[in-house]
Amino acid sequence: KQEVTQIPAALSVPEGENLVLNCSFTDSAIYNLQWFRQDPGKGLTSLLLIQSSQREQTSGRLNASLDKSSGRSTLYIAASQPGDSATYLCAALSSNDYKLSFGAGTTVTVRA
Amino acid sequence: NAGVTQTPKFQVLKTGQSMTLQCAQDMNHEYMSWYRQDPGMGLRLIHYSVGAGITDQGEVPNGYNVSRSTTEDFPLRLLSAAPSQTSVYFCASSWNRRNTEAFFGQGTRLTVV
Repeated sequence: KQEVTQIPAALSVPEGENLVLNCSFTDSAIYNLQWFRQDPGKGLTSLLLIQSSQREQTSGRLNASLDKSSGRSTLYIAASQPGDSATYLCAALSSNDYKLSFGAGTTVTVRA
Repeated sequence: NAGVTQTPKFQVLKTGQSMTLQCAQDMNHEYMSWYRQDPGMGLRLIHYSVGAGITDQGEVPNGYNVSRSTTEDFPLRLLSAAPSQTSVYFCASSWNRRNTEAFFGQGTRLTVV
């Protein structure tokens, strides 16, 4: 059974600092890995999707890397802003049963 | 473009009551799924569907029922609500099961008393 872990559970940084969010997974048999953002009381919004054959994916200030062999993905957010405050979740799509396994998320607070 | 729409947004039920959470998507996606989100835990898959007329169980299916009569709609039924089903429920859809971006609804916050 795929286990996805995100550490730390919460993070607080001053505005302008770069954010590094970690995601680890136990089973390397994945099709892709997705990063989501969740605002309080809202649904999940997809930020980046990295295919298993890719090493990284970029969108604006966001960059996500994937290392399947070590079971790790990292989301980098450059020059953080208060508007980046949210919970960030990662999810791995299994290539065995095509099910998404989610981490519990990292709650980020960016202080102005 | 509405995306994935869930209703209701909030609901309070008494133990033993039944209800249906509605989910509709307007993107012609094949794959739809229901998750529950509990504090400190990742989202857990309840049921999923790979197309109209086809459904299957996820990780935590007990106490829930689904059907998929159309591509657009995927309702989740609670048969006899229990306090352990107090949670936030999310519906999601994607083009298919593999390699595609998942779109989520806004969630239904359910409290069972």
